[in-house]
Amino acid sequence: DTQLTQSPSSLSAFVGDRVTITCRASQGIDSYLVWYQQKPGKAPNLLIHGASTLQSGVPSRFSGSGSGTEFTLTISSLQPEDSATYYCHQLKSYPYTFGQGTKLEIK
Amino acid sequence: EVQLVESGGGLVQPGGSLRLSCSASGFIFSQYWMTWVRQAPGKALEWVANVKHDGRETYYKESVKGRFTISRDNARNSLFLQMNSLRADDTATYYCARAPRSTNCFDQWGQGTQVSVSS
Repeated sequence: DTQLTQSPSSLSAFVGDRVTITCRASQGIDSYLVWYQQKPGKAPNLLIHGASTLQSGVPSRFSGSGSGTEFTLTISSLQPEDSATYYCHQLKSYPYTFGQGTKLEIK
Repeated sequence: EVQLVESGGGLVQPGGSLRLSCSASGFIFSQYWMTWVRQAPGKALEWVANVKHDGRETYYKESVKGRFTISRDNARNSLFLQMNSLRADDTATYYCARAPRSTNCFDQWGQGTQVSVSS
């Protein structure tokens, strides 16, 4: 199975800050990496697919990069509504796997 | 507007069964792979199973193989998850999601249905 390890597990930042979350895969997954945002009590929301393609309707302050085994999600200017848990997800091979999540809080 | 609405969750004793349903609307259901993802309380997301658009291919997480069956009825725009021999560690919110092969992601999600396995 391909393990995904996110870092950090949690972070706290100010509105306007630039925030980066990292996802490392235990084996190469090309660009089959997706990022979701999940708010408490809600379903996940797709942010980025193909490691770097912004899903339609997602604010441009979100961006993704990477390929192979190391990936990043960046929020260029943090907004209050970005408080959520973020998950990376690989669809290169079965079983599909998710990272453990990164909880982002606004200071 | 794409909508996915899950139903069928509830409280069941260990060893029992449940059948989850997901009703789809707002898109051509028969053209999409579909998936079930679960989330135990306070835990990360966990992929459970996938089914091809025509229902002829299915894939499962190892721990549910032989106990869970994913299926679909394209005439009724519905996705199902038959869960047998349920265990306490199956307790979770179960989400259905659309899984377009063109973009390799889960792009639309239902609101989830809760399954609790307890005596």
